[in-house]
Amino acid sequence: EIVMTQSPATLSVSPGERATLSCRASQSVSSNLAWYQQKPGQAPRLLIYGASTRATGIPARFSGSGSGTEFTLTISSLQSEDFAVYYCQQYNNWLRETFGQGTKLEIK
Amino acid sequence: QVQLQESGPGLVKPSQTLSLTCTVSGGSISSGSYYWSWIRQPAGKGLEWIGRIYTSGSTNYNPSLKSRVTISVDTSKNQFSLKLSSVTAADTAVYYCARGAGLGYDYWGQGTLVTVSS
Repeated sequence: EIVMTQSPATLSVSPGERATLSCRASQSVSSNLAWYQQKPGQAPRLLIYGASTRATGIPARFSGSGSGTEFTLTISSLQSEDFAVYYCQQYNNWLRETFGQGTKLEIK
Repeated sequence: QVQLQESGPGLVKPSQTLSLTCTVSGGSISSGSYYWSWIRQPAGKGLEWIGRIYTSGSTNYNPSLKSRVTISVDTSKNQFSLKLSSVTAADTAVYYCARGAGLGYDYWGQGTLVTVSS
């Protein structure tokens, strides 16, 4: 099983500032990594796939980078609607997809 | 616009079988190179992939659940289903169905809470 570790568990940032979220894989997942945003009571929403490609309709302030074992999700200028929980997911191990434990992005 | 909707009992007794169905609307479940997955989330916790099915009927399951999981598809009804046997309280979670294409999951159902309790 590929273990995905996200840091920090909670990130406090002020609106308008930049947020940087990290995800580390226990072994290489190449670029087969996705990021999701989840708000309370809602299903996850795909933000990024292929480590750096924005999904349809995702604002340009969201960007992803990295490959192998180290990945980053950056939100360039936080809007009020961006405060949520973010998950990374690897789909390189086709027979056992795994998610990180999540980073909660809260208002500072 | 593709939409997915989970349905099934919200309460299941321990040792029984959890059964859920996902109905796909806004497009044929057979069109495109997609697979259809179940993912669950215990309250306040992270996401766990349960397994996937292709419209050919081919399946992949999470090894930790494989002995208890069956996913099936009914293309005539545009549905796919999950059965999880011998449930315990640890299986209490929100269950999501989702569409994948090897690029993450782009469409999700709203989720349905299943509680395992006597």
